[in-house]
Amino acid sequence: DAGVIQSPRHEVTEMGQEVTLRCKPISGHNSLFWYRQTMMRGLELLIYFNNNVPIDDSGMPEDRFSAKMPNASFSTLKIQPSEPRDSAVYFCASSLVPGNTEAFFGQGTRLTVV
Amino acid sequence: GESVGLHLPTLSVQEGDNSIINCAYSNSASDYFIWYKQESGKGPQFIIDIRSNMDKRQGQRVTVLLNKTVKHLSLQIAATQPGDSAVYFCAENPQGNTPLVFGKGTRLSVIA
Repeated sequence: DAGVIQSPRHEVTEMGQEVTLRCKPISGHNSLFWYRQTMMRGLELLIYFNNNVPIDDSGMPEDRFSAKMPNASFSTLKIQPSEPRDSAVYFCASSLVPGNTEAFFGQGTRLTVV
Repeated sequence: GESVGLHLPTLSVQEGDNSIINCAYSNSASDYFIWYKQESGKGPQFIIDIRSNMDKRQGQRVTVLLNKTVKHLSLQIAATQPGDSAVYFCAENPQGNTPLVFGKGTRLSVIA
């Protein structure tokens, strides 16, 4: 397996634009996580899905952020409208179950909002 | 004004020496723990894990120690190499099927 695949690797966008980050989890993994990493706050969990269903989105900063998982092999994280403070590295991870086991991370998407 | 970044503890180690990275976890009910390594520009990568019914687990050049009494986790790296330079995170599983909670990380710098 190629591991967790994220795209794009880098994204530069202007404030106010919509940004969509994409993730393909490892085949057979039932849980998918979106994390955000910044110098200020470290690695934060934004939302996680189990069997394609959002379980906990309490980490999503505000209504400008939304995430979907239409099927077991694809998830998106959308920011609309984007703001400079959204600049961060966004990681997607997947695991067999939500906890009690290793989560595998993608390479991340570095987002810069100017 | 300029934002203040997260201050990561930094450990500088001479190549060939042993490294010990420490982590204090928060939840006494946590029953599963992982150490991750994150190199620059990459995602966190699994190193080793341990369950709460153990107090020590060894891998290749790495050992994890768990002290549940004081809620402390440590990662020992033997014969540290330049390729070990990275940020190391501990993560805990606080409750059953809930996501891992990550610590703030420690930067390991290996001096050749």
